[in-house]
Amino acid sequence: DTGVSQDPRHKITKRGQNVTFRCDPISEHNRLYWYRQTLGQGPEFLTYFQNEAQLEKSRLLSDRFSAERPKGSFSTLEIQRTEQGDSAMYLCASSLEVGQFGFGPGTRLTVT
Amino acid sequence: AQSVTQLDSHVSVSEGTPVLLRCNYSSSYSPSLFWYVQHPNKGLQLLLKYTSAATLVKGINGFEAEFKKSETSFHLTKPSAHMSDAAEYFCVVSSDGSSNTGKLIFGQGTTLQVKP
Repeated sequence: DTGVSQDPRHKITKRGQNVTFRCDPISEHNRLYWYRQTLGQGPEFLTYFQNEAQLEKSRLLSDRFSAERPKGSFSTLEIQRTEQGDSAMYLCASSLEVGQFGFGPGTRLTVT
Repeated sequence: AQSVTQLDSHVSVSEGTPVLLRCNYSSSYSPSLFWYVQHPNKGLQLLLKYTSAATLVKGINGFEAEFKKSETSFHLTKPSAHMSDAAEYFCVVSSDGSSNTGKLIFGQGTTLQVKP
């Protein structure tokens, strides 16, 4: 069963460094989403791709954040000049149609 | 705009007793509603979903939820709690209005504790 995979699972970085996370969706899924989950909260929507097009970005996604999905398959989320407030679990999800989601295990980012 | 409110941040039950996790929603459209569970250090797992078919929705592991439009509620129930049900539960609405992105909007979560 090839579900949504994310890499790395954990990342510890110093404040000010850049980090990049990767998400591999379920192979036939054309929709891909990034969410952020902080401790004790529900996941919050960051951005959405349909195939390679980034169709929606949350106001949470500051200009330090950039996401790509160059060939409509895997996606990357980059955070530049990390801040301690960026510490969170970053979740990726994919779907073929509305309502049929698969979630990845997440990348836990700790900024020291 | 769509939103969900989970009325309890923490629920504690004894093993073998019923579970009730409460959720109210707000939606401009006919909503799609979900319950997800998150066990420690594990990914989000779909328990059940409502998409305008039967108002009583059966999910995995004995969970059910009833869509009540008049009360704008979608409460999650289970007749008898198991220790393995201890986890974080999220009520979720899908933003599938005119934008049709299908993005999910999560509640704040309810921590279910099951005591032996």
